[in-house]
Amino acid sequence: IVMTQSPATLSVSPGERITLSCRASHYIASNLAWYQQKPGQAPRLLIFGASTRAAGIPPRFGGSGSGTEFTLTISSLQSEDFAVYYCQHYNNYTFGQGTKLEIK
Amino acid sequence: QITLKESGPTLVKPTQTLTLTCSFSGFSLSTADGVGVAWIRQTPGKALEWLALIYWDGGYRYSPSLRSRLTITKDSSKQQVVLTMTNMDPVDTGTYYCAHHSLNAGAFDVWGQGTVVTVSS
Repeated sequence: IVMTQSPATLSVSPGERITLSCRASHYIASNLAWYQQKPGQAPRLLIFGASTRAAGIPPRFGGSGSGTEFTLTISSLQSEDFAVYYCQHYNNYTFGQGTKLEIK
Repeated sequence: QITLKESGPTLVKPTQTLTLTCSFSGFSLSTADGVGVAWIRQTPGKALEWLALIYWDGGYRYSPSLRSRLTITKDSSKQQVVLTMTNMDPVDTGTYYCAHHSLNAGAFDVWGQGTVVTVSS
């Protein structure tokens, strides 16, 4: 199963609402996770089960979708949210190639 | 509180075997609720690549593309997981992470800080 994320890079301003996409090449139900990675840091789990926030994740992060199409929404971007975001199908543990959020 | 920490050589020569150790605390890898420990790497400028996973019961899975080069083992009493990768090549240079595979989340909910491995003669 191949995980494809879009866009590769997104230039946005603080306060904006953004949506990142992740597409699976085959049906994966809701077996999808989202991770955030900042420079020099390990990834951090944000969302599992496609829509459940991990412990300590602020409510501005939301996940949706099932089957083959998934989205990660950040309702109002904060300065600390500029990072790379990866989706992962956690049956075969495949990661997408990532979407980089950069400051416009 | 779950923590994991990777250790191993920072420099290996091409064709050598890499051995990395993940030392963990805050969970047991000898009971079902401990689920498992995974290894993931990130090569320069690249995305994350899952390598291997070992479960509490000793079962394991490997990345199909690297299966022939990987071995993952655990020592539950020492709270360690060891990954070996044979026939190292410069393209294997990168940061290697271990992570806790969560029963509840199904994903990797806690990660180590990572260890940098350079493959060069």
